[in-house]
Amino acid sequence: QTVVTQEPSFSVSPGGTVTLTCGLSSGSVSSSFYPNWFQQTPGQAPRTLMYSTNTRSSGVPDRFSGSILGNKAALTITGAQADDESDYYCALYMGSGIWVFGGGTKVTVL
Amino acid sequence: QVQLQESGPGLVKPSETLSLTCTVSGGSISSLSYYWSWIRQPAGKGLEWIGRIFSSGTTNHNASLRSRVTMAIDTSNNQFSLKLTSVTAADTAVYYCARVGRDASNNWYIDLWGRGTLVTVSS
Repeated sequence: QTVVTQEPSFSVSPGGTVTLTCGLSSGSVSSSFYPNWFQQTPGQAPRTLMYSTNTRSSGVPDRFSGSILGNKAALTITGAQADDESDYYCALYMGSGIWVFGGGTKVTVL
Repeated sequence: QVQLQESGPGLVKPSETLSLTCTVSGGSISSLSYYWSWIRQPAGKGLEWIGRIFSSGTTNHNASLRSRVTMAIDTSNNQFSLKLTSVTAADTAVYYCARVGRDASNNWYIDLWGRGTLVTVSS
């Protein structure tokens, strides 16, 4: 069974930079998995931030960027702000219509 | 703009069938550019992809749920639905409907989400 891995939590200072990653329990993540990233605050539906590795969704600030780092997909927040404090999820497209989500990363800004 | 809205019972008894509907407004569910998905999230836990359906009725499901999941699409009412049979407490979650698309470069994305609806499995 495919498992998508994410760091459980990260802490970043206001104005700082943090990079979240999205990996596979077996194998490497490439752009062929079309990594998507989502932001979720408590009690709210997820919001799509990024798709196809590094394409920002409409209205997403450019302090969010996506990339492939080594064998993982990555989401970098540059110049973190207080309202970036959220849970972040990645999802990978496995082909044949199948998506798998990572377990999420809780980002604290303090 | 396109919006998605989930509806259905908030309480289902164990061993019974969970049934949810997602209504799409502001756009056609028959669009050839999109698939329509269900995703769930137990309280305090991560997201789990359930499955997707195309306007033709073609479906793909999470293998761990496949035998219990049925999805259908009603293009005349711009709705799609989810049925999950033989539910247990482990199926208690917020259920989201979402839109999945593929752009001109064949890049896949999940771009729109409903607000979600909480379904509790309890007697």
